[in-house]
Parts: sequence; C-alpha cells; structure tokens
Amino acid sequence: GAVVSQHPSRVICKSGTSVKIECRSLDFQATTMFWYRQFPKQSLMLMATSNEGSKATYEQGVEKDKFLINHASLTLSTLTVTSAHPEDSSFYICSASKQGGISTQHFGDGTRLSIL
Amino acid sequence: SQQGEEDPQALSIQEGENATMNCSYKTSINNLQWYRQNSGRGLVHLILIRSNEREKHSGRLRVTLDTSKKSSSLLITASRAADTASYFCATDDSGGYQKVTFGTGTKLQVIP
Repeated sequence: GAVVSQHPSRVICKSGTSVKIECRSLDFQATTMFWYRQFPKQSLMLMATSNEGSKATYEQGVEKDKFLINHASLTLSTLTVTSAHPEDSSFYICSASKQGGISTQHFGDGTRLSIL
Repeated sequence: SQQGEEDPQALSIQEGENATMNCSYKTSINNLQWYRQNSGRGLVHLILIRSNEREKHSGRLRVTLDTSKKSSSLLITASRAADTASYFCATDDSGGYQKVTFGTGTKLQVIP
C-alpha cells in the first residue's frame, strides 16, 4: 500500500504558460501532502505543506501567488505554477503522509518541468 | 537550519562490497529516516529509526543512530548494481504537520 501518483511526469511549455501538477494518494487518505523542488544533483527543498481543506503553509522564500496549491480532498493535491518562466524549470516532487501516521512520507515519481 | 549533511557526497564501490553513508544533523529529533532516489524518480522510504533506538535492521540495510553525536549511518551489505541511487537522510520537524527535512544526499554507484 501507500502509492502516490503524480501527473504529468514531464512537461515542456512556453514561457508565460501556467502548468498544473496533480498528486494523488491512490490507496490511503493523506491529511497532509508536501511539495518539493529539486535542482540537479541537489537535495529536496520543501516548498509548501498542504493540509486538506485549509490553506497551504509555504516555506520562506516561496511565492504563494506563483505556486498555487490546492488540497481539496484527502487524496488529491495540485500545484499550479503560474506564468512559468525558464527559472521555474526544475524537478517537482510531491509526497503524502497517511492520516494519523508518523512522518514517513510516500512520494510520487516527480514532474520534470521545462520552460522554454 | 536542520538540514542534515551527508558524507560522503559520492561513493563508488564494487558489487558485493559494503557501502556506508553517514548523516549529521543539528537539533533534537523524534526520528530519522533514510530514503533512496533513483535518477529522475521520486523517493522511496527505506527505514525509520526513532530517537530512543540505537540500531535497526531491514534486509541488507543496517541503520545506527547516535543522538549524542547527532549522527546516523546507513550500511548496505553485499551491494548490488541495483543499489545504485542517491540516498538521503531525513529528520522530522517538531513544528508539526509531519514535516521532515532532507539531507544533502550521498550518490552511490555500485559497479558490476
């Protein structure tokens, strides 16, 4: 159990486009989902923590108007990169924690975003 | 910052050898976890060790935790080419929301 599906796996689009990434927990309820950004050969940088039914908590330095997060249900969170620019190109990864569980996170396979 | 630092940054070994990776962190923790990431993929949870535990085993994996030194090690025994990946330690954040902070990672290459 504990499968997280992230879609799409790869996006290539023009500068100025808005891109939506979905993160779904397939076989468990996820009260909390996390969105990370990972640059090449670097660790994961937490962007925001998303709780079902409430506003996301953004990490310092992350623009909430740029990276819109919605967590409308216990199995789905979305990240929308608005008006994307080349500097937004990165690998975005979501994860989910089981409801009531400890801090073990279950990860999606990531989305490679390339802005031309 | 709570971010862990891992040592070495990169490790290359022959198949069959053991691989040891170390993680150091800065503040008190509730638990520490190790994750594995294949290139271009998400992370896979390997093992969790609680702050009151000193050692834990799972298959070919052995994790130790020394809270007095704020360090942990991950040992992979009898390595296989399929173990080639990046390995990250992650420490919890007592601020809630089950949030963890990832270390800088060790890139392991196992040569067949």
